[in-house]
Amino acid sequence: DIQMTQSPSSLSASVGDRVTITCRASQGISNYLAWFQQKPGKAPKSLIYAASSLQSGVPSKFSGSGSGTDFTLTISSLQPEDFATYYCQQYNSYPVTFGGGTKVEIK
Amino acid sequence: QVQLQESGPGLVKPSGTLSLTCAVSGGSISSSNWWSWVRQPPGKGLEWIGEIYHSGSTNYNPSLKSRVTISVDKSKNQFSLKLSSVTAADTAVYYCARSRSMEVWGQGTLVTVSS
Repeated sequence: DIQMTQSPSSLSASVGDRVTITCRASQGISNYLAWFQQKPGKAPKSLIYAASSLQSGVPSKFSGSGSGTDFTLTISSLQPEDFATYYCQQYNSYPVTFGGGTKVEIK
Repeated sequence: QVQLQESGPGLVKPSGTLSLTCAVSGGSISSSNWWSWVRQPPGKGLEWIGEIYHSGSTNYNPSLKSRVTISVDKSKNQFSLKLSSVTAADTAVYYCARSRSMEVWGQGTLVTVSS
C-alpha cells in the first residue's frame, strides 16, 4: 500500500494567515492526488483533484501543487470558515489511501 | 448536480452483516465513473473500502476484501455495500462517493456494531 504522510498533524493559525499543509507519498503517484476539507459532523468536501486542479465552486484561496511524492495544499488567507481538518488522498494505485489529516485550529 | 444519499440500519449485531445503499440522484450511475465506499471510525481518519463501475467491475481494499461485497442496481440508480462478520471495530460513519478522486460525497451514515 502507498502510505500518505501529512504534516503537520495539527496547526494553530490566525485569520488572514497563509497556511501550507504537506503530504508525502511513500512512492511516486504522478499527480493522482486529491485534497479534502472536513468539518465536525460533516462529510469531506473535495477541494483539489489531480494535485492542482480546483474543484468547481471552491474559492481560489485554495491551491495545490506537487507531483511524484511531495505535495502541498496552501490556503492563501485563512478565514473563520476554513478551520477544519484537511486530508490528502492518492488514487494512483490500489488500495486508495488517505493521509492522517491536518487539523487547522484558531490561534 | 449529482447527489448521493446513504441509507441502511444504524445498528448491527456483532458477527452480523452490515448492509448499506447509496442512491444516486441528478445523474446516472451508468456514467463513466467509479462509485466508492469510504468509512471513518469515530474520531479517526478515512479508510477506503472499495469501488464499483456500472458494468459490475469492482476493486476492494485488501484489508477488508474477504468480508466486502459491493454491487450495483442500474434500474434503481444505486449501489450497495455488504460487510460481513462485523465487530465493534467496524463501527464508523460510512460514506459513498463518486469517482476515485471523490468529488461528490453523500452525507454519511453512522453504523454502530453492538449487541
